[in-house]
Amino acid sequence: AQKVTQAQTEISVVEKEDVTLDCVYETRDTTYYLFWYKQPPSGELVFLIRRNSFDEQNEISGRYSWNFQKSTSSFNFTITASQVVDSAVYFCALSDGNRDDKIIFGKGTRLHILP
Amino acid sequence: GAVVSQHPSWVICKSGTSVKIECRSLDFQATTMFWYRQFPKQSLMLMATSNEGSKATYEQGVEKDKFLINHASLTLSTLTVTSAHPEDSSFYICSALYSGGVYEQYFGPGTRLTVT
Repeated sequence: AQKVTQAQTEISVVEKEDVTLDCVYETRDTTYYLFWYKQPPSGELVFLIRRNSFDEQNEISGRYSWNFQKSTSSFNFTITASQVVDSAVYFCALSDGNRDDKIIFGKGTRLHILP
Repeated sequence: GAVVSQHPSWVICKSGTSVKIECRSLDFQATTMFWYRQFPKQSLMLMATSNEGSKATYEQGVEKDKFLINHASLTLSTLTVTSAHPEDSSFYICSALYSGGVYEQYFGPGTRLTVT
């Protein structure tokens, strides 16, 4: 069965600090996709990244970076020089490689960036 | 990019009434759409998979007679909460599967349902 674990329920950091959000996943599929979404107070999901299981290269997008390690089944997300606008709930998610495409979400990490 | 809309964005209804939520893919056709429910401060839980022209597939524990899903066209899926009760109050989010070469799922902005 597929499962996504975000052990950090809530994190608070002071603005400009770096913060890493952890994500550990479980799947029996060899082909799968991993995602990160941001959910601000408005509720609308904001897509951040999609990574397939065959691409273990780390990715950087501005202040955001992602570390994918199949050996530890982890897909961690780091925000560098955090800003108050980064305050939101962040979800890590997983879908298998079939056309089924169901997305299984972790429980989310609520991130507070303090001014 | 692909856009998915939901209507209404929020709705308040009385207990015992039914309410319909629409999910539309605005600039692409979607043979498959998904419905999620999110209770306050919780994660998104998949309720059902909606396939155009066929019956929806419900996740375990979701009452199909209570949450009626109709995917009548390639751009529209509807979720009807029948005989709503206060415990049905939640944030309902749909997504549409874009299948133009690469399968990608696009999420709607959500509908907040409050049953009084």
